[in-house]
Amino acid sequence: DGGITQSPKYLFRKEGQNVTLSCEQNLNHDAMYWYRQDPGQGLRLIYYSQIVNDFQKGDIAEGYSVSREKKESFPLTVTSAQKNPTAFYLCASSTGRDSHQPQHFGDGTRLSIL
Amino acid sequence: AQSVTQPDIHITVSEGASLELRCNYSYGATPYLFWYVQSPGQGLQLLLKYFSGDTLVQGIKGFEAEFKRSQSSFNLRKPSVHWSDAAEYFCAVGALSNYGGSQGNLIFGKGTKLSVKP
Repeated sequence: DGGITQSPKYLFRKEGQNVTLSCEQNLNHDAMYWYRQDPGQGLRLIYYSQIVNDFQKGDIAEGYSVSREKKESFPLTVTSAQKNPTAFYLCASSTGRDSHQPQHFGDGTRLSIL
Repeated sequence: AQSVTQPDIHITVSEGASLELRCNYSYGATPYLFWYVQSPGQGLQLLLKYFSGDTLVQGIKGFEAEFKRSQSSFNLRKPSVHWSDAAEYFCAVGALSNYGGSQGNLIFGKGTKLSVKP
């Protein structure tokens, strides 16, 4: 079955450590997205990519970095500069750059601080 | 700036009762509108979408939504709620770039948590 796979499901970060969240899709979608979800805050866009080797900052990009070397993969790195990284992270993809395309979501990664 | 408002943070309904979840948007053009549902610890699942045409949109799991341009609303409804509908519901609008073209990403409301009483 086609879909989006996020791993790991749970992740713990020590102070000063960078961690990378994986997102892989086999839907052949061009566009991919990373959202951060905090209780009562809805989803906030971190980064998005509409094509391989290109990505744009979203609303809350500070302290995060991404790469898009392959169409099916869009990993997110939470750097030590992100002072409040505890949250639920969701990856999504869609067929193209138009906003009328629905987004398909993975099951998320919950990141916590040790 | 574009925005989506879901006025109700938490709603409780009895099983079998009807449901309406409210969504208001701020948008400069014909909006692309979506409703998603999220079970605890899971990703989001698309319930329905509106792009143009008939303002009453049917979705999965017996949900429907009505687009009302005059009220800038896109409320989600279900005639009879089942216990399995307990979840969090998100309304979203397709984002526009500063130049008015489609930007590709979505702007989400803060969600409405639905509890269902037996």
